[in-house]
Amino acid sequence: NAGVMQNPRHLVRRRGQEARLRCSPMKGHSHVYWYRQLPEEGLKFMVYLQKENIIDESGMPKERFSAEFPKEGPSILRIQQVVRGDSAAYFCASSPSLLSMNTEAFFGQGTRLTVV
Amino acid sequence: AQSVTQLDSQVPVFEEAPVELRCNYSSSVSVYLFWYVQYPNQGLQLLLKYLSGSTLVKGINGFEAEFNKSQTSFHLRKPSVHISDTAEYFCAVSDGNQGGKLIFGQGTELSVKP
Repeated sequence: NAGVMQNPRHLVRRRGQEARLRCSPMKGHSHVYWYRQLPEEGLKFMVYLQKENIIDESGMPKERFSAEFPKEGPSILRIQQVVRGDSAAYFCASSPSLLSMNTEAFFGQGTRLTVV
Repeated sequence: AQSVTQLDSQVPVFEEAPVELRCNYSSSVSVYLFWYVQYPNQGLQLLLKYLSGSTLVKGINGFEAEFNKSQTSFHLRKPSVHISDTAEYFCAVSDGNQGGKLIFGQGTELSVKP
């Protein structure tokens, strides 16, 4: 059973371009979470999705950022018109259900976005 | 809202010495607590978690943590560290009412020297 797969691992974009980050959860997992890690900081929650639904997007910037988790295919975090401040590591995690006694979130290796 | 404070940003220690990484969280009615480790350029790996029951939790790689409700702490300990334990360690909390959202501390960089 492969782990959480994120691609690309490294992404370089010029200011103003779009960045698309992909996350394939572990098999059987229908809950996906995106986190952002700025340099020298901890991970900050961005958005929580369940298949085809956004459950909690309280950590998403109000503009330029969007996320989806379609019925088929990976979850996508999309950043439009990137700026230098978007440079960070973006981590995806998945779980089979809500965190509880018997579940945990498994993290991918992250996508490191550099905006030049 | 929940918050997590890791009191030490960097902890240098010699090999085979004991170590404690401190974590405090804001109080909540029910809370799940986690410690994750991040090796350079890697994702996060779960070390251990506290959900309920015994306040002393044992995890992988010889780590353990103690949940202290009165002090709202969840400090991570290892009696004897190895060079390979050099990594970033994150404490996280989940409020059972917030689904799967984890609130992370800012991390503690553990540096083990020979």
